[in-house]
Amino acid sequence: EVQLVESGGGLVQPGGSLRLSCAASGFTFSDYWMHWVRQVPGKGLVWVSHINSDGRTTRYADSVKGRFTISRDNAKNTLYLQMNSLRAEDTAVYSCVRDREYPYNWFDPWGQGTLVTVSS
Amino acid sequence: QSVLTQPPSASGTPGQRVAISCSGSSSNIGIHIVNWYQQLPGTAPKLLIYRNNQRPSGVPDRFSGSKSGTSASLAISGLQSEDEADYYCAAWDDSLDGVIFGGGTKLTVL
Repeated sequence: EVQLVESGGGLVQPGGSLRLSCAASGFTFSDYWMHWVRQVPGKGLVWVSHINSDGRTTRYADSVKGRFTISRDNAKNTLYLQMNSLRAEDTAVYSCVRDREYPYNWFDPWGQGTLVTVSS
Repeated sequence: QSVLTQPPSASGTPGQRVAISCSGSSSNIGIHIVNWYQQLPGTAPKLLIYRNNQRPSGVPDRFSGSKSGTSASLAISGLQSEDEADYYCAAWDDSLDGVIFGGGTKLTVL
């Protein structure tokens, strides 16, 4: 079964840092581009970042550029999101998704997500 | 405010056909494919339509997608109570250099 399981969320103060992880299983992780998408509970989906299959190409939404870093360890089948200088507006559920066919960007599957709360 | 515009809500009775629109521009839908996602209450989003009009295995043929110019549409025929969910369109945007989502449409089955 293809599965993505996120971890690492929690409560952090403004200006703080957090590292999210996404463990992949059931498919050849190193073959796929991967993305992070976030969703404020009750609100819509927002794309955050993507990384290509070998980790050398990354892109970020303007709202997180310079603060967040996406990376991957293909040997460990794991995707990461390092989040620095966190702001209240970064509060959301963060989900990792597999890009089934880059550059067509159709996301399947989605992880259940991990909640990040930025608050003092 | 989302770059892709969807109606915030839609509704229909069981058995009816409903359509959800997704309006974009020449930097996104006009030149890139559109994908649709369904998010049932309390669950993660699920791929519903990819490459404008393709259904993943397991998605009923009651769901169909189309694209014309800078707009796309998701149609659901034979509406069922379990179709009650939030629906999102998505596409790459060359101006923003990233994936953009519509604001989502909450479908209510009356």
